[in-house]
Amino acid sequence: GQNIDQPTEMTATEGAIVQINCTYQTSGFNGLFWYQQHAGEAPTFLSYNVLDGLEEKGRFSSFLSRSKGYSYLLLKELQMKDSASYLCAVPKDAGNNRKLIWGLGTSLAVNP
Amino acid sequence: SAVISQKPSRDICQRGTSLTIQCQVDSQVTMMFWYRQQPGQSLTLIATANQGSEATYESGFVIDKFPISRPNLTFSTLTVSNMSPEDSSIYLCSVESGQRSYEQYFGPGTRLTVT
Repeated sequence: GQNIDQPTEMTATEGAIVQINCTYQTSGFNGLFWYQQHAGEAPTFLSYNVLDGLEEKGRFSSFLSRSKGYSYLLLKELQMKDSASYLCAVPKDAGNNRKLIWGLGTSLAVNP
Repeated sequence: SAVISQKPSRDICQRGTSLTIQCQVDSQVTMMFWYRQQPGQSLTLIATANQGSEATYESGFVIDKFPISRPNLTFSTLTVSNMSPEDSSIYLCSVESGQRSYEQYFGPGTRLTVT
């Protein structure tokens, strides 16, 4: 079957670093997505990993280990505006990135 | 990037009635997607809508309950029919990025409450 697990909630302090983990099980892997969703708003794309390793994009980095079925999103120099839900998603079918299976999301609260 | 608008942004409806949600994109796109995000649940794909053909529904969703129209390359509608309180949810449409096809852009969502 297909399954995605991520922590429900996390809390961090402004200026700190936080790591949000995601583990997945799929029948055929074709990449992993991270999206950010502020309360009451639409999800917005953060990253897409298809190969193992760390990809850095400004304050946000995303890591993937295909052999372990594991990814994490690393947020550095946290700002208050980073308080949001972070969604991990994988394609439902290998070779088709259009249909995604989504995790429940990790609600991150950044405190001053 | 694509700019997507949805109407209505929110509505409160009585059970047994139907609501049609509109999704407008500022550029032509081949595929549009309709999602549901129920309280405490993950985003769930309802169907994929291609212009000129019938929508493709995911397991657990049927056309009679969620009829979809796709009259042109910039517009789609999703109707939630014969509503019950279990249909209370946020409904979102999304499209693929034209340049990076793996990235999806989402509309702001329609928050539906069924009483």
